[in-house]
Amino acid sequence: NAGVTQTPKFQVLKTGQSMTLQCAQDMNHNSMYWYRQDPGMGLRLIYYSASEGTTDKGEVPNGYNVSRLNKREFSLRLESAAPSQTSVYFCASSVVRPNTGELFFGEGSRLTVL
Amino acid sequence: GQQVMQIPQYQHVQEGEDFTTYCNSSTTLSNIQWYKQRPGGHPVFLIQLVKSGEVKKQKRLTFQFGEAKKNSSLHITATQTTDVGTYFCAGGFGNEKLTFGTGTRLTIIP
Repeated sequence: NAGVTQTPKFQVLKTGQSMTLQCAQDMNHNSMYWYRQDPGMGLRLIYYSASEGTTDKGEVPNGYNVSRLNKREFSLRLESAAPSQTSVYFCASSVVRPNTGELFFGEGSRLTVL
Repeated sequence: GQQVMQIPQYQHVQEGEDFTTYCNSSTTLSNIQWYKQRPGGHPVFLIQLVKSGEVKKQKRLTFQFGEAKKNSSLHITATQTTDVGTYFCAGGFGNEKLTFGTGTRLTIIP
C-alpha cells in the first residue's frame, strides 16, 4: 500500500527555473493538499483541492500553481523559482472534506533554489 | 487571524520524565488534530478532538481539548527515546482549512 507518493524527493534549481512536484495517492481520497515546511514556521498550506476539479488557495499561494489532474494526482508547479521557495514540500490527502479528517502525508520533497 | 500558537518550541527532557506541549487559538476551533514528525520524516496523524472538554488517551499520551475549544494539550508520561520528534497541533476553524502550530521539538536525554 503506497499511500501518498511524491516525486522528486530532492531537487536543486537555479533562480528563475521552473519545475513541477508530482503527487499521487492510491487511497481513493477526495481531498489533496500541498504544504511547505520551513524551520520554526510549522506547516503552511499552499493550495488544496477539496474534490476532483476544484482547487483553492491556502495561506501562502504566491509563486505557485496547482493542477488536480484527476482524483489520484495533484501537482504543484513553480513557474519561476526564487530562493524564498527553498523548503520541504509535503503533499497530503484526506478521505473527507478538508478540516474534518486525518491527513495522510507523503514523504516530502526537499527543494533548494540557488 | 486564524493562528494557532504552540509552546514551547523546544523541550529537552531526561528519559522517564514527563512532557507537555500546548496549543492556543484566539478564536474557537471546530476541532483539533495532533501529529508527530520523526526527524527526517513526515507528519503522522495521532488523534483528533472535537468535543468541548474532550480527553483521549493513547497508552502514555493524553490529549485534551479545552472547555472553550480554544486550547489543547498533549502530555506524554514517562518519555522514552521513541518519543523523539516534533509534535504539531492543527486547528480547524470550520472553513475547510487546518492551521498548523509551529510545533514542539522533543529531544530525550538518555
